[in-house]
Amino acid sequence: NAGVTQTPKFQVLKTGQSMTLQCAQDMNHEYMSWYRQDPGMGLRLIHYSVGAGITDQGEVPNGYNVSRSTTEDFPLRLLSAAPSQTSVYFCASTRTGRGTGELFFGEGSRLTVL
Amino acid sequence: GDSVTQMEGPVTLSEEAFLTINCTYTATGYPSLFWYVQYPGEGLQLLLKATKADDKGSNKGFEATYRKETTSFHLEKGSVQVSDSAVYFCALSTNTGNQFYFGTGTSLTVIP
Repeated sequence: NAGVTQTPKFQVLKTGQSMTLQCAQDMNHEYMSWYRQDPGMGLRLIHYSVGAGITDQGEVPNGYNVSRSTTEDFPLRLLSAAPSQTSVYFCASTRTGRGTGELFFGEGSRLTVL
Repeated sequence: GDSVTQMEGPVTLSEEAFLTINCTYTATGYPSLFWYVQYPGEGLQLLLKATKADDKGSNKGFEATYRKETTSFHLEKGSVQVSDSAVYFCALSTNTGNQFYFGTGTSLTVIP
């Protein structure tokens, strides 16, 4: 009963380094998304995908890339990390539809950029 | 654009007190409304939802009613427990289901 799995749970980077946050779901959900959570700002949508081969930008996409080659996986790439990207990142998925479904969240990935 | 505004925290209550966390929204069309809960060190999980006006969502003693006339979805619980200590997020999703919007979260601490 895995649900949404994120790796790694913790990561420390130096400014300018690159890395990929992995997200996988085993519920055959079409919709997958990445959020960042910052104190006092709640959750902000970075990128989302409504199916394999389809991605779109959310509220705060700058500095992040995504791709969706399979239904199961939705990695988030930071090409050149900046201290402003220090945050907790959540991947979430749901079935597409009229928006009545619930989002299923991973446990989060805490990223620190020095 | 679509958005959610919820009551600022933190909120501290004694056990068995009544809880209200206010949430109002701005949206075109007919969104679905949600309350999510986040326990320390965990991801968010759905607490309750309502998909149309006048619907009441309920779970674990929590309730919220979708009020279109006041564009509100306030969370209530009659008697809180220490185990309810968490951060609560109000959220909406658009008609297409492609965008979810979250409030800033309200931290609740219940003391024995």
